[in-house]
Amino acid sequence: EPEVTQTPSHQVTQMGQEVILRCVPISNHLYFYWYRQILGQKVEFLVSFYNNEISEKSEIFDDQFSVERPDGSNFTLKIRSTKLEDSAMYFCASSARTGVGAFFGQGTRLTVV
Amino acid sequence: KNEVEQSPQNLTAQEGEFITINCSYSVGISALHWLQQHPGGGIVSLFMLSSGKKKHGRLIATINIQEKHSSLHITASHPRDSAVYICAVTKGTSGSRLTFGEGTQLTVNP
Repeated sequence: EPEVTQTPSHQVTQMGQEVILRCVPISNHLYFYWYRQILGQKVEFLVSFYNNEISEKSEIFDDQFSVERPDGSNFTLKIRSTKLEDSAMYFCASSARTGVGAFFGQGTRLTVV
Repeated sequence: KNEVEQSPQNLTAQEGEFITINCSYSVGISALHWLQQHPGGGIVSLFMLSSGKKKHGRLIATINIQEKHSSLHITASHPRDSAVYICAVTKGTSGSRLTFGEGTQLTVNP
């Protein structure tokens, strides 16, 4: 069964450092998403991406965040200068089109120390 | 106030029991989703509904658009059903992004 793959599964980084979270969406999918879940809280939308550009973003997705699809298969989330409050589980998701369910990756647990 | 509310927050059941988890929403939606999150954190999509009812194995999801309410039922529950069940909606004006509820922690005891 096709799946969304995220790497790494867990990343520990120092405050102020840049991190890149990587995702390989399902190959024929066109819509890509990043969500995050702070420990003990609900999942929150960060950004959606279609046709090589951001289609929606939340107020959480400020100038410290960026997304890229560098090579047609990977989809990355970059946090430029991490803060303690960026510690969370980050989920990548993809869907073939709008109006259908999305497939989620297993998540990357980011710990900022 | 959350746009998507779930009840109960926590639910403990004995193996074999029939389980119902409820979801209410306060916004216009194009679809409602039920997802399952396992202890390791991974999220699996169970159902996407825009009307009526869907069934997959022992899981049944229903939605009442007029009442802005959905239920997820599990028949003949089993300890392996223990997980967090999350209701999420695709709002009518927000493209395809999901807005999530807080989740219901289900524990099924043998």
